[in-house]
Amino acid sequence: QSALTQPPSASGSPGQSVTISCTGTSSDVGGYNYVSWYQQYPGKAPRVMIFEVSKRPSGVPDRFSGSKSGNTASLTVSGLQAEDEADYYCSSYAGSYTFVFGTGTKVTVL
Amino acid sequence: QVQLVQSGAEVKKPGASVKVSCKASGYTLTDYYMNWVRQAPGQGLEWVGIINPRGGSSWSAQKLEGRITMTRDTSTNTVYMELSSLTSEDTAVYYCARVGSGFYSGDLDYWGRGTLVTVSS
Repeated sequence: QSALTQPPSASGSPGQSVTISCTGTSSDVGGYNYVSWYQQYPGKAPRVMIFEVSKRPSGVPDRFSGSKSGNTASLTVSGLQAEDEADYYCSSYAGSYTFVFGTGTKVTVL
Repeated sequence: QVQLVQSGAEVKKPGASVKVSCKASGYTLTDYYMNWVRQAPGQGLEWVGIINPRGGSSWSAQKLEGRITMTRDTSTNTVYMELSSLTSEDTAVYYCARVGSGFYSGDLDYWGRGTLVTVSS
């Protein structure tokens, strides 16, 4: 199972929006509405920001939103804040009771 | 409150096995699936496997099949992940993470702090 493809980095100024892509195949991202996104600060455990493509857990700011089109999922962070600077990973169900993570994207707030 | 407390760091020699524990509190262990995720130093997240604490069924990443065993002890609210025939490529922080919603959801709502497993001769 190959990792989902994410851009290594993304950036934006405070208040701007940034969108991170997550590209897989029809066997994972494209085949199921089970894409999730995680935020991770250095040395810390990840935190779920989006699950099932676009559902936001309680406590996650509505600045975070998720979507999917074909084999590519996206996470958009609107109104960027300094605290959004972190690593972001997507994940997808990949069939046969397995899951796969993305390669990760480092978001920098300029 | 929900907590997942993992066992301490381990140093193992190549070819050895390691068993990492994850003790759950604040909820009923058997009501939620538990994932294992690992992260090699400076690298990304890698899915390791998932266990259903209710019946004990588990599923793992294809690359780890044959080397990984996931178990649970409902009397102590603890899940375990054992990895055998260790190589340096298994050096990583291993996290347990509860699945808050359905099996497929990816809603990993609570995470342990991670257990560093170092494989070195």
